[in-house]
Amino acid sequence: GDSVTQMEGPVTLSEEAFLTINCTYTATGYPSLFWYVQYPGEGLQLLLKATKADDKGSNKGFEATYRKETTSFHLEKGSVQVSDSAVYFCALSNQAGTALIFGKGTTLSVSS
Amino acid sequence: GAVVSQHPSRVICKSGTSVKIECRSLDFQATTMFWYRQFPKQSLMLMATSNEGSKATYEQGVEKDKFLINHASLTLSTLTVTSAHPEDSSFYICSAHSGTEGRSEQFFGPGTRLTVL
Repeated sequence: GDSVTQMEGPVTLSEEAFLTINCTYTATGYPSLFWYVQYPGEGLQLLLKATKADDKGSNKGFEATYRKETTSFHLEKGSVQVSDSAVYFCALSNQAGTALIFGKGTTLSVSS
Repeated sequence: GAVVSQHPSRVICKSGTSVKIECRSLDFQATTMFWYRQFPKQSLMLMATSNEGSKATYEQGVEKDKFLINHASLTLSTLTVTSAHPEDSSFYICSAHSGTEGRSEQFFGPGTRLTVL
């Protein structure tokens, strides 16, 4: 079945460091790919998404490119801030309106 | 973005009792809502898909008689954990699907932490 694998955390960085969180997927067809972020005490929020190969999703300085050849959707940010500390989830959906399949989540801690 | 609320945010109950969790879409109508369960340091696992006015569709391994889902209106779905036991302790998260033309997105509630003593 479809699945998402993302790097284990926690990831601990200093402010302004470069961030990469790896995500790979297994799916039939052409899924849509998502990154969600969960700040402490809050619900999941959509961070960015891509719906087809080579699409790049971007938001708040984060970006991820849908790579079909490597079945990957790695999350990157050039300069992290303390406020980026959160849990990040990679997810896929094979069809609009259906449930998402999530990775295990990666905790990011950024210190000043 | 759209807002989904869950109530309660945290509940502690005794073993054998039932607990109801509400999921509401506050500013849009959701024909489909999803219920997920999240164990510590693990991903969200889909429990069931809830469609307004019809029976929920449960994932394999989820007991439908234990986890009762009611989607009575386009803005409200409830999950009732019946005869709860300590192994039911978990973080329960709902999401609501907004399927406006040309745009489809799921919005998540903040989750409910259930602790069964």
